[in-house]
Amino acid sequence: GNSVTQMEGPVTLSEEAFLTINCTYTATGYPSLFWYVQYPGEGLQLLLKATKADDKGSNKGFEATYRKETTSFHLEKGSVQVSDSAVYFCALTKNSGGSNYKLTFGKGTLLTVNP
Amino acid sequence: DVKVTQSSRYLVKRTGEKVFLECVQDMDHENMFWYRQDPGLGLRLIYFSYDVKMKEKGDIPEGYSVSREKKERFSLILESASTNQTSMYLCASSFFRPAKSSYEQYFGPGTRLTVT
Repeated sequence: GNSVTQMEGPVTLSEEAFLTINCTYTATGYPSLFWYVQYPGEGLQLLLKATKADDKGSNKGFEATYRKETTSFHLEKGSVQVSDSAVYFCALTKNSGGSNYKLTFGKGTLLTVNP
Repeated sequence: DVKVTQSSRYLVKRTGEKVFLECVQDMDHENMFWYRQDPGLGLRLIYFSYDVKMKEKGDIPEGYSVSREKKERFSLILESASTNQTSMYLCASSFFRPAKSSYEQYFGPGTRLTVT
């Protein structure tokens, strides 16, 4: 079955540091890949996505590239801010088949950015 | 903007009570989902629905049931609440056949349920 493995946190950084959160996946076929973010006390919001190999998703200074050869979708940001403190979830869904609307999530990575 | 709303942000119930969690979306989405979120376990799918009156079990359906009488509304029911159902409950919705392979789900703010 499908699965997503992301680096365990918590991750603590100083403001303006470089961020990488690793995500690898196992899936049949060609999944779409997502990063969701959950700010304290809120639901999940879509941060970025990529639907095919070599696609790069980007939003709010965050980037992730769909690497089929390494089955990875690592999240990066060049300079984090205190406001980026949140839980980040990597997720995938199949692009075909009867369950193409179901998301498989990683367990989440808590990021804390200190001023 | 897509809006998914949940009836309560915080709820406290007693063991054995029947609990209803309501979710409403305004984007005419066919699919709706209920997840629970627990520390160290991430999000786990309880039930989902792809049409009115249609439902399918997710990964952890035991102790829960659902109801979808209208397209925009999806209810999660705890028939007899237990303390191990204390959790954050998240509702989500999505299109069934989205354009441009855009399968993302849109989430509500969550309901933090405590069962005492």
